[in-house]
Amino acid sequence: AQSVSQHNHHVILSEAASLELGCNYSYGGTVNLFWYVQYPGQHLQLLLKYFSGDPLVKGIKGFEAEFIKSKFSFNLRKPSVQWSDTAEYFCAVSYSGNTGKLIFGQGTTLQVKP
Amino acid sequence: DTGVSQDPRHKITKRGQNVTFRCDPISEHNRLYWYRQTLGQGPEFLTYFQNEAQLEKSRLLSDRFSAERPKGSFSTLEIQRTEQGDSAMYLCASTREGFNEQFFGPGTRLTVL
Repeated sequence: AQSVSQHNHHVILSEAASLELGCNYSYGGTVNLFWYVQYPGQHLQLLLKYFSGDPLVKGIKGFEAEFIKSKFSFNLRKPSVQWSDTAEYFCAVSYSGNTGKLIFGQGTTLQVKP
Repeated sequence: DTGVSQDPRHKITKRGQNVTFRCDPISEHNRLYWYRQTLGQGPEFLTYFQNEAQLEKSRLLSDRFSAERPKGSFSTLEIQRTEQGDSAMYLCASTREGFNEQFFGPGTRLTVL
């Protein structure tokens, strides 16, 4: 079955610390990969996406992610987090040939301490 | 671009009652998706419309659930004979064909007592 796994459920960091959130997906052919963020009280927003080309993609607010095809991974990184990055982060995948539906991981809650 | 809107934002109902939610996608977005999110989990796909045609339904969508998109614009999701296990956030997302990125609405939080 097609699935997405996020390794960390709850991460607590101090401001200026570096962040890496893991995401792995099951094999299913060509994929489109996404990271969505949900700030407290707000709806899901796209952070960044990978469709093809350069496997290192940059998103909003200094986030980036690297697609490693051999590892079926799409990890999210940020060199220096801020208190305002406190949110829930979701990795999602859509598989080619599907209807574009997204398969989400279970999410990672990031808490940044000032 | 006014974004995806959903109504109501919150719904509290008693077990056994029927509820209906509405989603208004971004105009000119012909693809519309419904997802369900429970506490501590990521959203799970429920169903997909391309224009007015419902092209995919998840096995999660029991026969108590029905969705429509009659004119290819707004969509409704109805749950009949609600159960406590239906309590969740119901999310709607839209996109246009070939674009892939989905834009999400604020969701409707359903509580079944």
